[in-house]
Amino acid sequence: VQLVESGGGLVQRGGSLRLSCAASGLTFSSYSMSWVRQAPGKGLEWLSYITGGSSTTYYADSVKDRFTIYRDNTKNSLFLEMSSLRDEDTAVYYCARTSNYAFFDVWGQGTVVTVSS
Amino acid sequence: DIQMTQSPSTLSASVGDRVTITCRASQSIRNWLAWYQQKPGKAPNLLIYMASNLATGVPSRFSGSGSGTDFTLTISSLQPDDVATYHCQHYYSSPWTFGQGTKVEIK
Repeated sequence: VQLVESGGGLVQRGGSLRLSCAASGLTFSSYSMSWVRQAPGKGLEWLSYITGGSSTTYYADSVKDRFTIYRDNTKNSLFLEMSSLRDEDTAVYYCARTSNYAFFDVWGQGTVVTVSS
Repeated sequence: DIQMTQSPSTLSASVGDRVTITCRASQSIRNWLAWYQQKPGKAPNLLIYMASNLATGVPSRFSGSGSGTDFTLTISSLQPDDVATYHCQHYYSSPWTFGQGTKVEIK
């Protein structure tokens, strides 16, 4: 099982960015997925969750109404659409396979997002 | 939201020592707790789920215990490969939150 994130980069405050996560080695549509981030020198923060069929999504308050999670099971891909980016969104963003109990059993290598003023 | 508090923040021990990390939840989370190991510059890796179940491929020197609000991660004999930051995470209810992490170093 492999998860590979992409789409990170440098973006201006208030800007937008779309992160992608390409999955392989698993029946992607059978699994819920999440995004988790880690700001420089800080702990882990869960951001968003989506079920295998996209029927249910959850968001942390810190990103609700600014970030949107979605997936394309035909392309084994997960996405995070980020808008109204703030300095505090600077972090490494990980996609993670999410168990039925909501722990994270497979992680990608992460993609770095830097929000600059 | 349920708050997770880990202690200590940093731990320095000798090779072969028994190491214990504590994680406390702000309310009961039954046994809905996971532990992750994160080596420097790498992604986290699942160590333990349901408070005490070892994930696939995790060495048996790692163990977890606890229920309710108080949990521990124990390394029975610290190895150089165990240098990492360890994170606890509850999954009792959304939002799922992590502790602040415990950095383990070799003395």
